[in-house]
Amino acid sequence: EADIYQTPRYLVIGTGKKITLECSQTMGHDKMYWYQQDPGMELHLIHYSYGVNSTEKGDLSSESTVSRIRTEHFPLTLESARPSHTSQYLCASSEKENYGYTFGSGTRLTVV
Amino acid sequence: GQNIDQPTEMTATEGAIVQINCTYQTSGFNGLFWYQQHAGEAPTFLSYNVLDGLEEKGRFSSFLSRSKGYSYLLLKELQMKDSASYLCAVLDSNYQLIWGAGTKLIIKP
Repeated sequence: EADIYQTPRYLVIGTGKKITLECSQTMGHDKMYWYQQDPGMELHLIHYSYGVNSTEKGDLSSESTVSRIRTEHFPLTLESARPSHTSQYLCASSEKENYGYTFGSGTRLTVV
Repeated sequence: GQNIDQPTEMTATEGAIVQINCTYQTSGFNGLFWYQQHAGEAPTFLSYNVLDGLEEKGRFSSFLSRSKGYSYLLLKELQMKDSASYLCAVLDSNYQLIWGAGTKLIIKP
């Protein structure tokens, strides 16, 4: 059973729309991550957080923002969606880096 | 730069054994992970190696040689459900995970 939840599971939106992808975990993990993954490609880190009010940018962060107001919640916002944002977005959390990450089921985003 | 190499695709037969290799060049090393990812799903944790040697966990084993920058994942008694991508990832000196592109494993009856 999943202890980290992402919504929506699938989303199709128009270019220029603002969207927020939700991620929540019930494990009390301080560390949370957002990744973007295209089919057959490696995961690219977008943003990460090591605790409440702590957020850092990853490799692909320039077109999105995150917030961490509560330990369990780590939403990702795209201010103006573009077709190049079409991808799968994966949220993950960990207690410690060497304990491994637990991933959510992902949000598959299509921008038309 | 940091780099992780693994074969793009491998094919094996049900009931057989397959070895998936991973070589890495990273700034520092704090451990290596293997994850399994079925198509359209999220990755799930398989193993973590930080010391040299072989770690066995049921049908799956993972090996690490830090001096060679090399790891492999060994899958025994292959089952059709093992068809998936296998991702190698290294924890670098900043405790950031560097991911390989994954090896797609196709199991044939």
